[in-house]
Amino acid sequence: AQTVTQSQPEMSVQEAETVTLSCTYDTSENNYYLFWYKQPPSRQMILVIRQEAYKQQNATENRFSVNFQKAAKSFSLKISDSQLGDTAMYFCAHYSGGSNYKLTFGKGTLLTVNP
Amino acid sequence: DADVTQTPRNRITKTGKRIMLECSQTKGHDRMYWYRQDPGLGLRLIYYSFDVKDINKGEISDGYSVSRQAQAKFSLSLESAIPNQTALYFCATSLGGSGGDEQFFGPGTRLTVL
Repeated sequence: AQTVTQSQPEMSVQEAETVTLSCTYDTSENNYYLFWYKQPPSRQMILVIRQEAYKQQNATENRFSVNFQKAAKSFSLKISDSQLGDTAMYFCAHYSGGSNYKLTFGKGTLLTVNP
Repeated sequence: DADVTQTPRNRITKTGKRIMLECSQTKGHDRMYWYRQDPGLGLRLIYYSFDVKDINKGEISDGYSVSRQAQAKFSLSLESAIPNQTALYFCATSLGGSGGDEQFFGPGTRLTVL
């Protein structure tokens, strides 16, 4: 069974600095996808970034980038130039498709950006 | 207008009452899901449906039932609510097929069972 572990329940960062959120996962599949979702105080779940396991290149979306280490089963999120609006709960998620559909979420990391 | 809507947004009810949470989507997606979110536990899948005639249990389906009335509508029912069902409930949709099947979430329903 897939598991997703986020070892940092809470983190804080100063505005304009860089922060990295950790995520590790366990899977027996070779083809899968990984996601980071953001949940601000409004509680809306927003997709931040996605990574295909078969791609070696790390995904990037503006200030958000990932460090995907397939052999280590690690998928960390780096936020550069942190902004106050980045304050949110961040969830890492693993997706395995086909007939064994499963999207598994980690327990989340609460990130606070301080002015 | 929002692509995935949930009603109600907030609900307070009493133990033993029957509750229905509704989800509608205008994205034209075949796949729909119900999750619950509890503090410190992340999101856990309750039920999912890949089309109108397909309903599947998730990891925590006990105490819940669902109905897929149409492609665009997927309802979650608590037949006899209990306090440990107090949580934030999310509906989500996805297109399916290859490509990671990104899910799009509704705004959530905060349910409190007294």
